[in-house]
Amino acid sequence: GAVVSQHPSRVICKSGTSVKIECRSLDFQATTMFWYRQFPKQSLMLMATSNEGSKATYEQGVEKDKFLINHASLTLSTLTVTSAHPEDSSFYICSARGGGQAYNEQFFGPGTRLTVL
Amino acid sequence: AQSVAQPEDQVNVAEGNPLTVKCTYSVSGNPYLFWYVQYPNRGLQFLLKYITGDNLVKGSYGFEAEFNKSQTSFHLKKPSALVSDSALYFCAVKLLGNTPLVFGKGTRLSVIA
Repeated sequence: GAVVSQHPSRVICKSGTSVKIECRSLDFQATTMFWYRQFPKQSLMLMATSNEGSKATYEQGVEKDKFLINHASLTLSTLTVTSAHPEDSSFYICSARGGGQAYNEQFFGPGTRLTVL
Repeated sequence: AQSVAQPEDQVNVAEGNPLTVKCTYSVSGNPYLFWYVQYPNRGLQFLLKYITGDNLVKGSYGFEAEFNKSQTSFHLKKPSALVSDSALYFCAVKLLGNTPLVFGKGTRLSVIA
């Protein structure tokens, strides 16, 4: 199946700094990418949807100025958590979807554990 | 808007016994249904999906699920549970088109030796 990678897998940062998380589709072109956030023992909450070359669409309650999403190419999307605070600590998972027959399937990255001190 | 309900937070089953993890959905249209499994500190792994066709779908690791339109359910099943099946299971639904997956809250499965 299609492979989605995320980097880094874990990151620890100080409060007030910014952190960038990369999501790559390794063997297919991802026309759409999704970013999810997962709190401990809870479900995945969709943060935003991005289509290549377009601005991301954010879900209600997600601050677009805090969680900057860039989908500049068909294989790469980035999520930047700006001025991170301890409450931003979470597990962030990206997901990618291609076109054609794969249109209805989403492939997930392994996740990034962010800890803000 | 679509939604998914997983009524059980936790399911416990003895190794070798059959297991069922329940999922019901609500959509305004024909649903595409998925099951994913998540191990600690890992991303989601795809188990199976229903798009169209046979209501009984077979997936990875011996899991299967049955789409029941009248009951709007898509329960996950396995005839004989393994300890290694212990994990967090998510049911998800989407509609046709460029729409995201919507997930249930997850069910933690514990298989006891």
